[in-house]
Amino acid sequence: DGGITQSPKYLFRKEGQNVTLSCEQNLNHDAMYWYRQDPGQGLRLIYYSQIVNDFQKGDIAEGYSVSREKKESFPLTVTSAQKNPTAFYLCASSTKNRGRIFGYTFGSGTRLTVV
Amino acid sequence: GENVEQHPSTLSVQEGDSAVIKCTYSDSASNYFPWYKQELGKRPQLIIDIRSNVGEKKDQRIAVTLNKTAKHFSLHITETQPEDSAVYFCAASKEAGGFKTIFGAGTRLFVKA
Repeated sequence: DGGITQSPKYLFRKEGQNVTLSCEQNLNHDAMYWYRQDPGQGLRLIYYSQIVNDFQKGDIAEGYSVSREKKESFPLTVTSAQKNPTAFYLCASSTKNRGRIFGYTFGSGTRLTVV
Repeated sequence: GENVEQHPSTLSVQEGDSAVIKCTYSDSASNYFPWYKQELGKRPQLIIDIRSNVGEKKDQRIAVTLNKTAKHFSLHITETQPEDSAVYFCAASKEAGGFKTIFGAGTRLFVKA
């Protein structure tokens, strides 16, 4: 998937469970992001990380957590505190070169459903 | 706060016609403007981008224009084809502000055969 892999493709969660979505990139990109997309809607930023061991909250961080222990990996945990987690989750990465930023490379997404 | 407005939310054109999607950004320091295409059930993909030192950029049937004074940029698709049907997102970033990108709400384009 163009150097950025999300797994699993489909995930089912029981209410009250925490689940972790995986995102791995081999593009050597510095920055990674998590977005949530609801049906027919745009992209809402959950968390982003510009460097290893550092991350910032996006617009809808409540009920989610992340870690960035390695440059290649940026897993997202959907906790039981997220009351409406059913959505399509997209991971992305990007980089800079000589101060110029470039567009995002997106993963193929994880579709999470609460059952 | 920073905002990108995108219009229209839905656009329907006849095959062969042109399609235009318009975006306005609020942060005058923004200087990088990518456009993404998302087909149904798939990931968004970068289709074209423009930087603030350029007023127009073209790639085959796709072109993007930028008016920094008006803080306005547009995507133009000529000779539309059914496979152009998708959701298109505009976005704005500023290189001095790290990596964060602000996305528009998206435009659903239907190309009728």
